[in-house]
Amino acid sequence: DAGVIQSPRHEVTEMGQEVTLRCKPISGHNSLFWYRQTMMRGLELLIYFNNNVPIDDSGMPEDRFSAKMPNASFSTLKIQPSEPRDSAVYFCASQTGGTEQFFGPGTRLTVL
Amino acid sequence: LAKTTQPISMDSYEGQEVNITCSHNNIATNDYITWYQQFPSQGPRFIIQGYKTKVTNEVASLFIPADRKSSTLSLPRVSLSDTAVYYCLVGDSWGKLQFGAGTQVVVTP
Repeated sequence: DAGVIQSPRHEVTEMGQEVTLRCKPISGHNSLFWYRQTMMRGLELLIYFNNNVPIDDSGMPEDRFSAKMPNASFSTLKIQPSEPRDSAVYFCASQTGGTEQFFGPGTRLTVL
Repeated sequence: LAKTTQPISMDSYEGQEVNITCSHNNIATNDYITWYQQFPSQGPRFIIQGYKTKVTNEVASLFIPADRKSSTLSLPRVSLSDTAVYYCLVGDSWGKLQFGAGTQVVVTP
């Protein structure tokens, strides 16, 4: 099993640019989570999906952030326009029915 | 989601047992207690989960008293590779977990 796959692993962009982060959950998992981690705020849940449907997006910081899950094997987190304060490590995690969330390796985003 | 409180850091020597206590006074009836481990530059990794009493797996033990207002993660005979941040989380089993600041455990020779 390849685990949760995230791409890119590192992204450096300039303020105002659109950023798209991608996640492939573990096959068969029906829940997917997007987290953001910074030194100041720790690990924050942004949004999670169950069976491709967004269940709770209360953690999405503002309208510049959007997430989609068009099918069970793919999700995107988009930031448009990006700002320096969006710099963080973004993690995707997936889960099935039970209790354990499996995290991906993360995408380190730097917005200049 | 129930708020959790755990020590910011703990130091230990190799071979010792490390016990991290987490307080969760407002835990709900449906809530489970879950612990994750995070190494630098990696995503968190599940360690153990419990509801009450004691749970043990190949990595750790989790002790939960009857009132469930706290829990203790026990790492037996730690090694240098156990240096990591350990998070205590409380939530229902369907996913919405709130990570706190975690406990930085540093193991030295």
